[in-house]
Amino acid sequence: DAKTTQPPSMDCAEGRAANLPCNHSTISGNEYVYWYRQIHSQGPQYIIHGLKNNETNEMASLIITEDRKSSTLILPHATLRDTAVYYCIVRVDSGGSNYKLTFGKGTLLTVNP
Amino acid sequence: EAQVTQNPRYLITVTGKKLTVTCSQNMNHEYMSWYRQDPGLGLRQIYYSMNVEVTDKGDVPEGYKVSRKEKRNFPLILESPSPNQTSLYFCASRKAGGPRYTQYFGPGTRLTVL
Repeated sequence: DAKTTQPPSMDCAEGRAANLPCNHSTISGNEYVYWYRQIHSQGPQYIIHGLKNNETNEMASLIITEDRKSSTLILPHATLRDTAVYYCIVRVDSGGSNYKLTFGKGTLLTVNP
Repeated sequence: EAQVTQNPRYLITVTGKKLTVTCSQNMNHEYMSWYRQDPGLGLRQIYYSMNVEVTDKGDVPEGYKVSRKEKRNFPLILESPSPNQTSLYFCASRKAGGPRYTQYFGPGTRLTVL
């Protein structure tokens, strides 16, 4: 699975958009980009994933660059409850495999009032 | 409500006293897994199961056992706990069959072995 690089921490004002970057320059063609978050010692929570097209759901948007070497998770209107560690994970996924997720250090997003 | 449940949520025990942490999911998922999370080390996979009666070791299986007799349950067993197994444990489940299915994590079990 390709390695990812994220900034260790970011701040965001409540109500503003939070843009969390992730570099995955060694990503291969069949690897997906996943984003999870973990709110202080709770179980990790799935946010969104994508392969090459931009994706949006009720929680966030995922923008993947055309060369797929980086992506950005966007929380459109951050709230205090969005304060968490955000993990960007890149992995191949095929039927029959161990669906292990490898979490790196992630980005601690702090949403300030 | 779709969820993964773990029990107990908190446990303090002593070295050598056998314990079991239960994990149950109500989503009919084939795949289940156990992770431990330690400061500076991220989440590390202990064991996983692709379906009933099918289990395999993850990255850090030493000192742990699992079983998968029913699809919904995947208990983690520590036969003789030691202080280095003090950690935060997460169970996860997922439907098999491709990347559009995501993993759901339980709330965690904080274990302290004295």
